[in-house]
Amino acid sequence: GEDVEQSLFLSVREGDSSVINCTYTDSSSTYLYWYKQEPGAGLQLLTYIFSNMDMKQDQRLTVLLNKKDKHLSLRIADTQTGDSAIYFCAESYGNTGKLIFGQGTTLQVKP
Amino acid sequence: EAQVTQNPRYLITVTGKKLTVTCSQNMNHEYMSWYRQDPGLGLRQIYYSMNVEVTDKGDVPEGYKVSRKEKRNFPLILESPSPNQTSLYFCATRTGDSYEQYFGPGTRLTVT
Repeated sequence: GEDVEQSLFLSVREGDSSVINCTYTDSSSTYLYWYKQEPGAGLQLLTYIFSNMDMKQDQRLTVLLNKKDKHLSLRIADTQTGDSAIYFCAESYGNTGKLIFGQGTTLQVKP
Repeated sequence: EAQVTQNPRYLITVTGKKLTVTCSQNMNHEYMSWYRQDPGLGLRQIYYSMNVEVTDKGDVPEGYKVSRKEKRNFPLILESPSPNQTSLYFCATRTGDSYEQYFGPGTRLTVT
């Protein structure tokens, strides 16, 4: 069945780049997403990429998609303490709009 | 302002006492769904609705019911809650042809 995998934890120093990785199994996914969840808050859509794209850049965020390896990554340039949060990778599944989420990667940014 | 609201935001209850978590949206979206979030498991879909009076099971529907009598509301019903339903619940909505889902603020439920 469909599955999305992420590493659980990443720690970086303020000002460094962060790279969060994700692998997925459903090759028919139309969109792949990155959501951010701050402590005690809901889910905020950070960015998304359409499955026929390789890369998308949005200010400090760069999404890379390798369809052959079913690998998605999110790079955050110049990481700030305000970027500390849980980041979820998700893929769209079928035509029901269901999102399949990874386990979430906790990003810790040290000053 | 586009909004998805959930009530209550926090709830502590006892095993077997029926409860309802409400979800309401003001964006006229056709599609609504419920997810639960558990540590180490990410979010998993419980139920979804493609439109009024159209609902279907997601990946973890056991112990839950939903209804969609009007477009704006999609309540989640736990007829007989059990401790394994202690979780953080999110409602989400989107239009029929949109890539973006809007999530509510979440409801933290504890069943003792």
